[in-house]
Amino acid sequence: DAGVIQSPRHEVTEMGQEVTLRCKPISGHNSLFWYRQTMMRGLELLIYFNNNVPIDDSGMPEDRFSAKMPNASFSTLKIQPSEPRDSAVYFCASSPGENYGYTFGSGTRLTVV
Amino acid sequence: DQQVKQNSPSLSVQEGRISILNCDYTNSMFDYFLWYKKYPAEGPTFLISISSIKDKNEDGRFTVFLNKSAKHLSLHIVPSQPGDSAVYFCAVNNAGNMLTFGGGTRLMVKP
Repeated sequence: DAGVIQSPRHEVTEMGQEVTLRCKPISGHNSLFWYRQTMMRGLELLIYFNNNVPIDDSGMPEDRFSAKMPNASFSTLKIQPSEPRDSAVYFCASSPGENYGYTFGSGTRLTVV
Repeated sequence: DQQVKQNSPSLSVQEGRISILNCDYTNSMFDYFLWYKKYPAEGPTFLISISSIKDKNEDGRFTVFLNKSAKHLSLHIVPSQPGDSAVYFCAVNNAGNMLTFGGGTRLMVKP
């Protein structure tokens, strides 16, 4: 089991550019989560998918952020256009169900200059 | 409005002593609580959990205590080891399968 796989590990981009973060959850896990970690806000939930369907996206900060899960093995988080305040570590996590806890990926460190 | 708070951003402990990390939550309806550990450049990893029907859960050197009346949980690590140095997040199951995390506490265990 390779765990939750995120790519890229690091991304540096210029303000205004589009950024796409990718995630492959653990096979068989039916829930997928995108979190953002910042010094000020800690780990905050951006969006939650269950069986590929977005269940709660209330944490998505702005319309510049969008997430998709076209199938059970792949999800993307897109920021368009990116801004310096989007700089953070973005984590993807998957879970087999309620009260099983999450398995996190290693994260993508995004720097927008 | 923070539903889960870890009021100590950092904690320093001598190797071999006990580490106590604290977490407070606001909603008495929360029924499942977890602790995660995070090393630099890695994702958080699950450490230990507790259901609201219990007040204590133990796993080796790690014990989580839940005080429902005070809406408080704590993680005890004894004895502490230098390899325990990490950021510790408490989390609550908040509606279905969503976890809400506290801000984290950085634990430093000195040799």
